[in-house]
Amino acid sequence: QVQLVQSGAEVKPPGASVTLSCKASEHTLTKYYVHWVRQAPGQGLEWMGMIDPSDAGTNYEQKFQGRVTFTRDTSTSSVYMQLRSLRSEDTAMYYCAVVPAGVRAAFDFWGQGTIVTVSS
Amino acid sequence: VVLTQSPGTLSLSPGERATLSCRASQSFSSNYLAWYQQKPGQAPRLLISGASSRATGIPDRFSASGSGTDFTLTISRLEPEDFAVYYCQQYSFSPLTFGQGTKLEIK
Repeated sequence: QVQLVQSGAEVKPPGASVTLSCKASEHTLTKYYVHWVRQAPGQGLEWMGMIDPSDAGTNYEQKFQGRVTFTRDTSTSSVYMQLRSLRSEDTAMYYCAVVPAGVRAAFDFWGQGTIVTVSS
Repeated sequence: VVLTQSPGTLSLSPGERATLSCRASQSFSSNYLAWYQQKPGQAPRLLISGASSRATGIPDRFSASGSGTDFTLTISRLEPEDFAVYYCQQYSFSPLTFGQGTKLEIK
């Protein structure tokens, strides 16, 4: 089973950008779609979008369009999420999760999460 | 698709039966409905997907049912480790959406 390791905690001022990483244990990340989900403190889960590492195709939740970018580096089995123009409401735990490529599936494998704090 | 979970909080004792509801704003196939469990400080864990398929290692006291717009997660006999927050998720339509969660607490 695939294991996902996410980058460490981040503290950013309002207006800044943050880039988080999610590295898969398997060398063939292209077998999966990678989704990003965030969770504000004490709140529920919010889907942000997904990337297909095989062709870098993306699908962003409309709420984040223009402010988020997903990229991938297949040589290191890693995907990245950049979130720009940070505001206090972006303070949250950010998770990556994978599903098998080409199918609609639930999120069986999750990263451990990266906490992002937006504060001046 | 907006998913509304009820109740917001459910207070029960170990050994009791728990019934959690997830109602959708529009109909979709139960094949694309999942349930997750989340404990404090942990990532969500998949319990059930594709209507009623338990994920690897999930005990059979967890079951799911429903169709259309009304879905249910049932825990037949609560164990101490079952007290957590539960989320439903639909992955039939984009954007994928989650319910707001039901907190299952010890009475």
